Amino acid sequence: AQSVTQPDIHITVSEGASLELRCNYSYGATPYLFWYVQSPGQGLQLLLKYFSGDTLVQGIKGFEAEFKRSQSSFNLRKPSVHWSDAAEYFCAVGANQAGTALIFGKGTTLSVSS
Amino acid sequence: DGGITQSPKYLFRKEGQNVTLSCEQNLNHDAMYWYRQDPGQGLRLIYYSQIVNDFQKGDIAEGYSVSREKKESFPLTVTSAQKNPTAFYLCASSITRPGELFFGEGSRLTVL
Repeated sequence: AQSVTQPDIHITVSEGASLELRCNYSYGATPYLFWYVQSPGQGLQLLLKYFSGDTLVQGIKGFEAEFKRSQSSFNLRKPSVHWSDAAEYFCAVGANQAGTALIFGKGTTLSVSS
Repeated sequence: DGGITQSPKYLFRKEGQNVTLSCEQNLNHDAMYWYRQDPGQGLRLIYYSQIVNDFQKGDIAEGYSVSREKKESFPLTVTSAQKNPTAFYLCASSITRPGELFFGEGSRLTVL
């Protein structure tokens, strides 16, 4: 079955510390992978995406993610977290195929402590 | 500015009533989607449409209906058959090939 797993429901990181949010996927076809961020009561904003090529992708707001096919993972990282990064983060997977939609993980809530 | 507009932002409904959520986009995207979001459940796909006058059921379509008469519009009706309709509803659009989704700001439906 196609699925996305985000093992961590809630993570707290000190401001200035590094961050890694985990994402594992199960997908039969070559995956397109995404990370989105959501502030409370708002829609989702795309942070970054992986379609092909370099397995380390850079996104907005200083985020990056690494695609590891052997581990079926697409973890999100940031070297130094800012208080404004507190939000909910969603990993998603899709296919380069008409008639499909993105499958989302259940999300990880990030809190930032001062 | 191009984007997706959802309305209303907040909606209250009595049990047994149907309600329609609006979603309009001016991005000239072919595909549009409706997702439902519940705390701790992530986003679950209700319906999606790749082209005008065509749409497909997602994982949780029961109790919902949609139409796609215009490229710009993809309204979602939450019917009285939906057993637990209180949720946050998100509309999105994309180019036909699955790729980046652009989301609206969401509509929060509360059933009283």
